[in-house]
Amino acid sequence: EVQLVESGGGLVQPGGSLRLSCAASGFTFSSYWMSWVRQAPGKGLEWVANIKQDGSEKYYVDSVKGRFTISRDNAKNSLYLQMNSLRAEDSAVYYCARDLSRGWFWVYWGQGTLVTVSS
Amino acid sequence: EIVLTQSPGTLSLSPGERATLSCRASQSVSSSYLAWYQQKPGQAPRLLIYGASSRATGIPDRFSGSGSGTDFTLTISRLEPEDFAVYYCQQYGSSPTFGQGTKVEIK
Repeated sequence: EVQLVESGGGLVQPGGSLRLSCAASGFTFSSYWMSWVRQAPGKGLEWVANIKQDGSEKYYVDSVKGRFTISRDNAKNSLYLQMNSLRAEDSAVYYCARDLSRGWFWVYWGQGTLVTVSS
Repeated sequence: EIVLTQSPGTLSLSPGERATLSCRASQSVSSSYLAWYQQKPGQAPRLLIYGASSRATGIPDRFSGSGSGTDFTLTISRLEPEDFAVYYCQQYGSSPTFGQGTKVEIK
């Protein structure tokens, strides 16, 4: 059974940093692109970042470029999102997600971790 | 960036009725790379449809997707009580983007 478990969310001040983690199990982690998708409270979904199987390609939504870094450790079956220079508008539930290797749509999702940026 | 506009914002229907949800793209979505998700409060999204019309594993056949180019539709043939939720479309022909969602509520 595929499982994705996020951690690392919490309350952080504007301008601060946070590192999210996603522990994956139930599949060959190193064989799949992985993604982060977020959802602000009461709002819609927004793709944040993708990373290729070997970490050689990374893509970001414009609003986080230069501030967020996606990475992975295939030996630990883990995905990460380093978030720097956080803004109030980054407040959201952050989901780790996996696709079907047929494109960037997501069939497996974690339960999400809440990030709140506030003073 | 491809902007997806979903309509209506809210759909008020009764169980057993047919639901028709629309998703319009600001430019053509290549190869019909469009997906639909269902989301219930406090839960992660659930993939329903990908490739505009292919049902994901385990999705009941009352859910169907259609369309191409810039106009796509999700149809729920007969609403079951568990279908009342928010539905999102998402394109993945370029950098992924989502529509703003359509809430299907009980009338």
